[in-house]
Amino acid sequence: ETGVTQSPTHLIKTRGQQVTLRCSSQSGHNTVSWYQQALGQGPQFIFQYYREEENGRGNFPPRFSGLQFPNYSSELNVNALELDDSALYLCASSLLGQNYGYTFGSGTRLTVV
Amino acid sequence: DAKTTQPNSMESNEEEPVHLPCNHSTISGTDYIHWYRQLPSQGPEYVIHGLTSNVNNRMASLAIAEDRKSSTLILHRATLRDAAVYYCILNYGGSQGNLIFGKGTKLSVKP
Repeated sequence: ETGVTQSPTHLIKTRGQQVTLRCSSQSGHNTVSWYQQALGQGPQFIFQYYREEENGRGNFPPRFSGLQFPNYSSELNVNALELDDSALYLCASSLLGQNYGYTFGSGTRLTVV
Repeated sequence: DAKTTQPNSMESNEEEPVHLPCNHSTISGTDYIHWYRQLPSQGPEYVIHGLTSNVNNRMASLAIAEDRKSSTLILHRATLRDAAVYYCILNYGGSQGNLIFGKGTKLSVKP
C-alpha cells in the first residue's frame, strides 16, 4: 500500500489569493474526499469525488472546488482566500461504499495572512 | 445527520486495557460504526469498523451493543503511542464520503 500523500505540507498565502492543494490517493481506491480541520476541532467534510465527478458536498461555498484525475489523484482549489480558511486540509481516499475505511493523508497546513 | 456522543477525555495506564465508549442512539439499520484516531500533527488513522457483530483486528476490538445504540472500542494493552483523539463516526447510506467528526475522546496514557 502506498498510502495517501499530500503536497505541500505547509503553505502561507495572502488574503484574496488562490491556492491549489494536491493529493495522491492510495493505490486501488476510487474515491477521494477533502476535509478542513480548524485548530482544536474535528475535520469537516468539504466534498468527495468519484469517477472524476463531485459525489457529495459539505457546507462550503463554491470558491472551494476540486478535481479528480483518471489516476485518482486530486486537487483542492480555494479562491479568494479568507483569514478563516487557515486550517489543516486533509485528503482521504477509499473505495465507494459504507463498508470501507478511509485512508487519510497527513494534511497541508494552510495559513492565510 | 447521524450523531455520536463520546466522553471528552479519558486516562489510562500503560499496558492496561482501555474501553472507549460511544453512544449513537439515532443509528439506523444500515449505518456502519467507524472508529478513527488522530495523533498530534497527523491526519486521522482508520482503526476499525463494524455493522452488527463484534470485530477484531490487529489494532483493536469493537464491541457493538445488541440494540446497536452504543459501541465500545477496546485497546487491549495501551501503549504511549496510543495517546490520541479517538473519533466514533457513523458512516450512513448516502453519506457520499461525509464522515461527521465530533470532538472525539482525547486519550492520555500514563507510563
